[in-house]
Amino acid sequence: EVQLVQSGAEVKKPGESLKISCKGSENSFRTYWIGWVRQMPGKGLEWMGIIYPIDSDTRYSPSFEGQVIISVDKSANTAYLQWSSLKASDTAIYYCARLPHYDLLTGSQPYYFDYWGQGTLVTVSP
Amino acid sequence: DIQMTQSPSSLSASVGGRLTLTCRASHDIGTSLVWYQQKPGRVPRLLIYAASTLHSGVPSRFSGSGSGTDFTLTISSLQPDDVATYYCQNYDSDPTFGQGTKVEIK
Repeated sequence: EVQLVQSGAEVKKPGESLKISCKGSENSFRTYWIGWVRQMPGKGLEWMGIIYPIDSDTRYSPSFEGQVIISVDKSANTAYLQWSSLKASDTAIYYCARLPHYDLLTGSQPYYFDYWGQGTLVTVSP
Repeated sequence: DIQMTQSPSSLSASVGGRLTLTCRASHDIGTSLVWYQQKPGRVPRLLIYAASTLHSGVPSRFSGSGSGTDFTLTISSLQPDDVATYYCQNYDSDPTFGQGTKVEIK
């Protein structure tokens, strides 16, 4: 069974830094793109970006480029999402999720998520 | 930028009723569309990919159709367990979620 286990809830002050994690249960973790999705309180889902563990190729949604850093430690089967200076507007649940493998039939990498982590609630408050 | 527009924003039906949710893309995306289900307080779950293919373990009362710019998710016989918000998402080069449709029991 595919499992993505995320780090626990965080409460931070504006201006503080933070790094949250997403650990895969299988060694095959490194052969799948891993992504991050934001869900602000009472709102919908937002695509943040994705990373490929084997070569750390990273792609950000324009809305999140420069706002967060996505990284990976392939030896630890773990992906990360980090902020250098949090804002109150970063308060949200952050999900990591796995993309399916490259589609040989269409010759393209599908950019959707087939398995999700349990989410990490980040609260930023003075 | 692509826009994904879902309608209605919410709808309800009786248990056993049939529901149809709509998702419209601002330009042609072929069949590069998925549907997710997010129950209240829960993690999103993949229901359908390639516009009409059920993901593993998804009940057969769910079905998807469409191509190009217009897509639908149908629940053929609504169950209490289906109370959730449903999101569409295109998955070509500019992945974007729709704003969601909230489904409730009447």
